[in-house]
Amino acid sequence: GAGVSQSPRYKVTKRGQDVALRCDPISGHVSLYWYRQALGQGPEFLTYFNYEAQQDKSGLPNDRFSAERPEGSISTLTIQRTEQRDSAMYRCASSLGVDQPQHFGDGTRLSIL
Amino acid sequence: QKEVEQDPGPLSVPEGAIVSLNCTYSNSAFQYFMWYRQYSRKGPELLMYTYSSGNKEDGRFTAQVDKSSKYISLFIRDSQPSDSATYLCAMNPNDYKLSFGAGTTVTVRA
Repeated sequence: GAGVSQSPRYKVTKRGQDVALRCDPISGHVSLYWYRQALGQGPEFLTYFNYEAQQDKSGLPNDRFSAERPEGSISTLTIQRTEQRDSAMYRCASSLGVDQPQHFGDGTRLSIL
Repeated sequence: QKEVEQDPGPLSVPEGAIVSLNCTYSNSAFQYFMWYRQYSRKGPELLMYTYSSGNKEDGRFTAQVDKSSKYISLFIRDSQPSDSATYLCAMNPNDYKLSFGAGTTVTVRA
């Protein structure tokens, strides 16, 4: 595709439910990143993949958050037992390589009731 | 204290004016510096990408990096209403983990 595609665009769920957010990177981009962006703030790093390998998950807030990229393309960020504080915009980015500029998707707005 | 500081504005200028944006940072290891533009309900769009100190020009946009002062700037010449957006600075040392400023909201009045 032309850009990074994220789905769904909006997700509203009740506290305690699990959610899965999907990211489809730019074709040919081997590096993929997840960020979280609070209102009025810049994105904050969550995790990074090179191909299918998760190289860094130091930004994940706790063990309810996990991510995978099993075939080195599409990635899923999963949040288990959601809490209201998880409400935010979740953004995915991809790049040709780890030292190349990152290109962002339009994000998934997650709201936990 | 945040690693990257950016005045959130808002900044309002008349069409045709020069827009001046800046960020300061505390981590001397930062070597790659970026400016992203973010329209409402859209993701950040990469505008400028520079390495180390110096200037880079691309059309109406000029990015400046002064590592000695830990200060970066973005100038937009002949501003247009379509330049109205939030501008985010971002930087990293030599890897993938971008550190962003909070963003400056700019409005260009027709």
